[in-house]
Amino acid sequence: AQKVTQAQTEISVVEKEDVTLDCVYETRDTTYYLFWYKQPPSGELVFLIRRNSFDEQNEISGRYSWNFQKSTSSFNFTITASQVVDSAVYFCALSEAWSGYSTLTFGKGTMLLVSP
Amino acid sequence: DARVTQTPRHKVTEMGQEVTMRCQPILGHNTVFWYRQTMMQGLELLAYFRNRAPLDDSGMPKDRFSAEMPDATLATLKIQPSEPRDSAVYFCASGPEGALEQFFGPGTRLTVL
Repeated sequence: AQKVTQAQTEISVVEKEDVTLDCVYETRDTTYYLFWYKQPPSGELVFLIRRNSFDEQNEISGRYSWNFQKSTSSFNFTITASQVVDSAVYFCALSEAWSGYSTLTFGKGTMLLVSP
Repeated sequence: DARVTQTPRHKVTEMGQEVTMRCQPILGHNTVFWYRQTMMQGLELLAYFRNRAPLDDSGMPKDRFSAEMPDATLATLKIQPSEPRDSAVYFCASGPEGALEQFFGPGTRLTVL
């Protein structure tokens, strides 16, 4: 079973639309960390955010916001008023206690295409 | 602006040849990771080091892959002999002591013909 599931393989939106990328995870640990990374067409993975399992407060950073719901094991990512530069593959990842929180287990990614 | 660097950025080789990929972690980072990205499997952890010591290489095919850190500024991933199924993008990432974020390099795109 996948530990991190990103069910949306590809999403296409028009600029200025809001878009939500889903992430569902699976773990037996009570303490764990969740991440989102962005991979633009240039290929490099860029860290966006980290959340720990005890902090369920939603977070907003500019046009980006994250909704962490432990009850549904989800950590969704919303981009408000999307822009063409948001086009990228977005990865959700999980870090668990068994690895000393050292390793990341990635989802398969969601490709976001924002057209003008 | 400190970054992880990787060389080469692209490598095309023939089956059976040895391939060496290099990574320079961010200065001061003591944890180094090697990942492989393919369309089918996504991002997979191959190996990681802390303070130059290998901690986990269970994700790596042992018969042909090897990873080392000759010193704190250089990590290498070697494939010998290479096979077409090794074609992928190989990422190196590093992280500072006690931190959870990993900072990724630009990757090496390997094509084995």
